[in-house]
Amino acid sequence: DAGVTQSPTHLIKTRGQQVTLRCSPKSGHDTVSWYQQALGQGPQFIFQYYEEEERQRGNFPDRFSGHQFPNYSSELNVNALLLGDSALYLCASNHRVLGIEKLFFGSGTQLSVL
Amino acid sequence: GIQVEQSPPDLILQEGANSTLRCNFSDSVNNLQWFHQNPWGQLINLFYIPSGTKQNGRLSATTVATERYSLLYISSSQTTDSGVYFCAVGDRGSTLGRLYFGRGTQLTVWP
Repeated sequence: DAGVTQSPTHLIKTRGQQVTLRCSPKSGHDTVSWYQQALGQGPQFIFQYYEEEERQRGNFPDRFSGHQFPNYSSELNVNALLLGDSALYLCASNHRVLGIEKLFFGSGTQLSVL
Repeated sequence: GIQVEQSPPDLILQEGANSTLRCNFSDSVNNLQWFHQNPWGQLINLFYIPSGTKQNGRLSATTVATERYSLLYISSSQTTDSGVYFCAVGDRGSTLGRLYFGRGTQLTVWP
């Protein structure tokens, strides 16, 4: 049973560029949440997708957008990258209907913006 | 959103020692989870514990929701316990996947 998988593992971009990060949830999970973790900080909630719609959103600008596909996988897009967007981006999944309470996280994508 | 404070920020132990990590939160919660982040960044779920006490091997956790705190106990610590321990909570208006994290406790266990 595969866990949550994310790609790529590392990425280097320059200011102003756009980036797309990908996530496949744990088997049987239909809800995907994205988090940003800056160095030395706890993860911060970006947004959550369920049934291909954004359900909740944290305090992040519109430069951060996402998508969920029919197979429940998800993408996080960040436009007009800033130096401050450098962070570990984490994807988490859970099963909304069955009410599985634990979140399962992927290993993350380390994004560096130069 | 809910404020989450963890203490201590850093903890250094020798193998075999016991430790207690604390998490205080500012409002009522419907979800509280403890995570361990290893040096490679992987967050591992240790406990889902919005109230009560649970044990899993050398680890145990207690949440007193009415007093807005949770404790994580690590007994007979091992070098593999090193890493950052996070407490994360969900407020009553949020879905399951939305958690507010503390800044973590950095645990280092020496042989």
